[in-house]
Amino acid sequence: GAGVSQSPRYKVTKRGQDVALRCDPISGHVSLYWYRQALGQGPEFLTYFNYEAQQDKSGLPNDRFSAERPEGSISTLTIQRTEQRDSAMYRCASSLSGARYEQYFGPGTRLTVT
Amino acid sequence: KNEVEQSPQNLTAQEEEFITINCSYSVGISALHWLQQHPGGGIVSLFMLSSGKKKHGRLIATINIQEKHSSLHITASHPRDSAVYICAIGRSQGNLIFGKGTKLSVKP
Repeated sequence: GAGVSQSPRYKVTKRGQDVALRCDPISGHVSLYWYRQALGQGPEFLTYFNYEAQQDKSGLPNDRFSAERPEGSISTLTIQRTEQRDSAMYRCASSLSGARYEQYFGPGTRLTVT
Repeated sequence: KNEVEQSPQNLTAQEEEFITINCSYSVGISALHWLQQHPGGGIVSLFMLSSGKKKHGRLIATINIQEKHSSLHITASHPRDSAVYICAIGRSQGNLIFGKGTKLSVKP
């Protein structure tokens, strides 16, 4: 079946603009995770959902970042008033349900803020 | 101090060499994950383990819960094994904390 998909794959935006990054998890996966990866670094946790409920948003850097998963499937990560330091690869992963199952990663969205 | 430490950061090997990448962690975990990140950027899960040892083809992963240490071994390495290998620990709610990765280059 289809894996995790993300769109857009690449996004270039000007400083101050809002961006919305989309994640489409594997069908039937309960848990959805957002991570951010700076160049040359390992990914870092941003937030995660079980179904439509946001369980933990402790990794979101500040209140310009928000995420939703209104119907428990597709999720959107929104960054308002983007800054150059927001430039990174944003990755989404999904798993059947929580910690007991492996995570499947999407291809990521490369965000560049100019 | 990072919760997940990997070593080495960079590793160059000759084809057919036996390779070991180490991972130490400092907090409680639900499971430990080994991931492979290809040069094109995609991340693939190799292993998820919470005890003992797992083997898949030429890859072997071991974990010692008491010592909070895991190793990833590659036998008979091949240039196509060249990638970044990332150790990540799973917390109770499932989110992962990642190490910085080990960049492996296998020369023919």
